[in-house]
Amino acid sequence: AQSVTQPDIHITVSEGASLELRCNYSYGATPYLFWYVQSPGQGLQLLLKYFSGDTLVQGIKGFEAEFKRSQSSFNLRKPSVHWSDAAEYFCAVGALNNDMRFGAGTRLTVKP
Amino acid sequence: NAGVMQNPRHLVRRRGQEARLRCSPMKGHSHVYWYRQLPEEGLKFMVYLQKENIIDESGMPKERFSAEFPKEGPSILRIQQVVRGDSAAYFCASSPMRGVNTEAFFGQGTRLTVV
Repeated sequence: AQSVTQPDIHITVSEGASLELRCNYSYGATPYLFWYVQSPGQGLQLLLKYFSGDTLVQGIKGFEAEFKRSQSSFNLRKPSVHWSDAAEYFCAVGALNNDMRFGAGTRLTVKP
Repeated sequence: NAGVMQNPRHLVRRRGQEARLRCSPMKGHSHVYWYRQLPEEGLKFMVYLQKENIIDESGMPKERFSAEFPKEGPSILRIQQVVRGDSAAYFCASSPMRGVNTEAFFGQGTRLTVV
């Protein structure tokens, strides 16, 4: 079965600084990879997804992620963080049955 | 096209009572997934249903928890004889089909508090 590891439980960055959130997955076949964001008290919103093709994926809100098969990683990046980006970020891996497995999440705090 | 609707948003139950959580998928979606989010933890898969069928319930606790997705009406996650440890946020997601190139859309969750 597929699984996801997000090594960083909590990250703090200054507003305007760059951001990288790490995600490592385990799955025997081609994975379908997702990043979701959850604002406090809210549901999950899809930021971006990777199914196939170009390994650099562009998402909403200025986020991007790069799929690296050799490293089993799908790290999320943003060149300049805004205060409104403070939230919890979840990486997920899906299989053909569309049954997603989520990481434990990374909480992002943005310092002014 | 309304999104995935979950209700209630907040539910308080005393220990031993039953909790019923409802999820109406997006229009045209016939696949529903339930996830549980415990405080300070990520989302844990519970169950995957299609209309009138449970496809994968490998994440469901063996006792007290059940789920259904009838031909008509919302999907229901039922927790019988709730205990304090059931306090969590329960999220429902839906997708139009099974397989590649699909994504699941999430509801805003039901926050269950057991007192």
